[in-house]
Amino acid sequence: DVKVTQSSRYLVKRTGEKVFLECVQDMDHENMFWYRQDPGLGLRLIYFSYDVKMKEKGDIPEGYSVSREKKERFSLILESASTNQTSMYLCASSDRDKYEQYFGPGTRLTVT
Amino acid sequence: EDQVTQSPEALRLQEGESSSLNCSYTVSGLRGLFWYRQDPGKGPEFLFTLYSAGEEKEKERLKATLTKKESFLHITAPKPEDSATYLCAVLPVGDDKIIFGKGTRLHILP
Repeated sequence: DVKVTQSSRYLVKRTGEKVFLECVQDMDHENMFWYRQDPGLGLRLIYFSYDVKMKEKGDIPEGYSVSREKKERFSLILESASTNQTSMYLCASSDRDKYEQYFGPGTRLTVT
Repeated sequence: EDQVTQSPEALRLQEGESSSLNCSYTVSGLRGLFWYRQDPGKGPEFLFTLYSAGEEKEKERLKATLTKKESFLHITAPKPEDSATYLCAVLPVGDDKIIFGKGTRLHILP
């Protein structure tokens, strides 16, 4: 079974803190994705990566950066957390030739 | 603009009452259409991929179908454990980003 894990289920941070969210997949997938999910807005793509050290902006990259130093690991970084970044963050991975994405359990981030 | 619209937004059914969820899409070409199930506070769980009109996939009480403009997720004789949000997503031709609909919240009453 595909397994995508995320470093925390719940996280509470203060405004201005630097926040790291980590995602690890064990299926040797080339593609990895970071989304945020908010009520009424659905899933929105923040960043994605096709390969190690490669990254592409999604629909809402402002205020975020990413890092992919190893194939199995994709990190999302909030350089200076703000209250409007309070959300559920979801990581996903997919095979290069099959497009279905497999999601992690999510991190509920609260910025106060 | 590529779009995915799901209806209804919410649906309440009695246990055993069959129904269908709709996903209509507007894309120039379709590489794939996906259905996911999401339980509260959890990540979406992959259910099906459909690639071409006329294709059908089944899993337990769920059956997904695809036409050129829409997909249906049919649920037959649902049980309370089928209660969840069902998400539809499409991957357009020439794109690498999946477009998600906002989901249908399904509640099955015992």
